[in-house]
Amino acid sequence: DTGVSQDPRHKITKRGQNVTFRCDPISEHNRLYWYRQTLGQGPEFLTYFQNEAQLEKSRLLSDRFSAERPKGSFSTLEIQRTEQGDSAMYLCASSLGGSRETQYFGPGTRLLVL
Amino acid sequence: GESVGLHLPTLSVQEGDNSIINCAYSNSASDYFIWYKQESEKGPQFIIDIRSNMDKRQGQRVTVLLNKTVKHLSLQIAATQPGDSAVYFCAENKGTGFQKLVFGTGTRLLVSP
Repeated sequence: DTGVSQDPRHKITKRGQNVTFRCDPISEHNRLYWYRQTLGQGPEFLTYFQNEAQLEKSRLLSDRFSAERPKGSFSTLEIQRTEQGDSAMYLCASSLGGSRETQYFGPGTRLLVL
Repeated sequence: GESVGLHLPTLSVQEGDNSIINCAYSNSASDYFIWYKQESEKGPQFIIDIRSNMDKRQGQRVTVLLNKTVKHLSLQIAATQPGDSAVYFCAENKGTGFQKLVFGTGTRLLVSP
C-alpha cells in the first residue's frame, strides 16, 4: 500500500453514462498525476496537477474528460458520455516533486463500459 | 517517433535464479529512467531509478544498468522469488519541470518454485 487511494476500485457502466473517479494522494504530496492503462499496455499519461493547478493535459484527454483538484488535495476525474473505448484502468499517482521525484501510484479504478 | 520498448514480453525463471529484464529507448536525450513492478489489479510500484550520468545503480536484490551507447536499460533481480512474479515496466521521463513518464509495454516475469 503506497498511501494513495482510489475510489471506486471497479466501475461498470453503460455507454453514454457519466462516471467520476476519486483519488486521494499521500497527504503532503503537492503533485498529482492521472494515467490510463489498457490491457497489455503500460500506463499512458493523461494530466498533471501542481497543487490545485492543472498544468499539463495529454491529447488523450478529450473534451469528454475533465479533471479537478479543487483544494490541492484529492482529485476527481470525470468522463462524460462514456464510450466502450474508455474501458481501461485509470491510475492516479502523487509525488513531492524535487530533483529525485518519485511517483507513487494508487491501486487504480477499473472501468468497463458496456 | 520516440518510444520506450521492451525486448521480451515474457520471461520464465526458476526460483533462486537471477533475472534480467531489458528495455530499449530511442531518445538519446533522455536523462532519467525508472523501473516499476505491477502485480495483477494493482498500481505500478517503484523499484529503482537511474539518471543518465550513471551506468549502474543498486538496490535491494535489484540492479539497474544503463548503456547510453546502445540506448539500452536493464533490470537485474538477484535470487528471484515467487513474489517477484509481476509485469515490469521501464519508464522514461519526458517532462520539463515535472515528471511526465512514458512507459513501455512491459515484460511479464514468471517465477516457478
